[in-house]
Amino acid sequence: AQKVTQAQTEISVVEKEDVTLDCVYETRDTTYYLFWYKQPPSGELVFLIRRNSFDEQNEISGRYSWNFQKSTSSFNFTITASQVVDSAVYFCALPKQGNKLTFGGGTRVLVKP
Amino acid sequence: DAGITQSPRHKVTETGTPVTLRCHQTENHRYMYWYRQDPGHGLRLIHYSYGVKDTDKGEVSDGYSVSRSKTEDFLLTLESATSSQTSVYFCAISESTGEGETQYFGPGTRLLVL
Repeated sequence: AQKVTQAQTEISVVEKEDVTLDCVYETRDTTYYLFWYKQPPSGELVFLIRRNSFDEQNEISGRYSWNFQKSTSSFNFTITASQVVDSAVYFCALPKQGNKLTFGGGTRVLVKP
Repeated sequence: DAGITQSPRHKVTETGTPVTLRCHQTENHRYMYWYRQDPGHGLRLIHYSYGVKDTDKGEVSDGYSVSRSKTEDFLLTLESATSSQTSVYFCAISESTGEGETQYFGPGTRLLVL
């Protein structure tokens, strides 16, 4: 069965600090994708990244970076030099057949000025 | 912007009342999904569709039905609303690129069942 665990329910940081969000997953599939979505206070869900299990290279996009480690079934997300606009709930997700997403419970990030 | 709209955006209804939520997309995507979001649970799949008149259940389908008579519209019906169905409902489409599929979400519908 598919499962995604985001153990951190809430993280509070001061602006310019780095913050890392953990995502641990379970799947029996040998190849799969992993996703991160952002949900700002306005409520919409914003796609951030899709990662193929074949590719374990770290991904960097501006202040965002992702560390995928297949050996530990983790796909962690780091925000470098956090800003107030990064305050949001972040979800990790894993699809199964038919691209049906299984989501983690989400991590709320609060960045204080 | 994946061209997804949801209506209504907010609704208050009473227990036992039928409710229909609409998801509309403009880009001819084949796959469409309905999720509900509740605190501590992330999003959970209710139903999905893989084409016109082709639908299937997700993990929390009890009390819900769906219909898709046109590619662009995917309707979610609460046959007899209960307070446990108070939630935020998100519609999604799946967009295919050369590397795989990515889901994009509509703005959500906030439903309160009294």
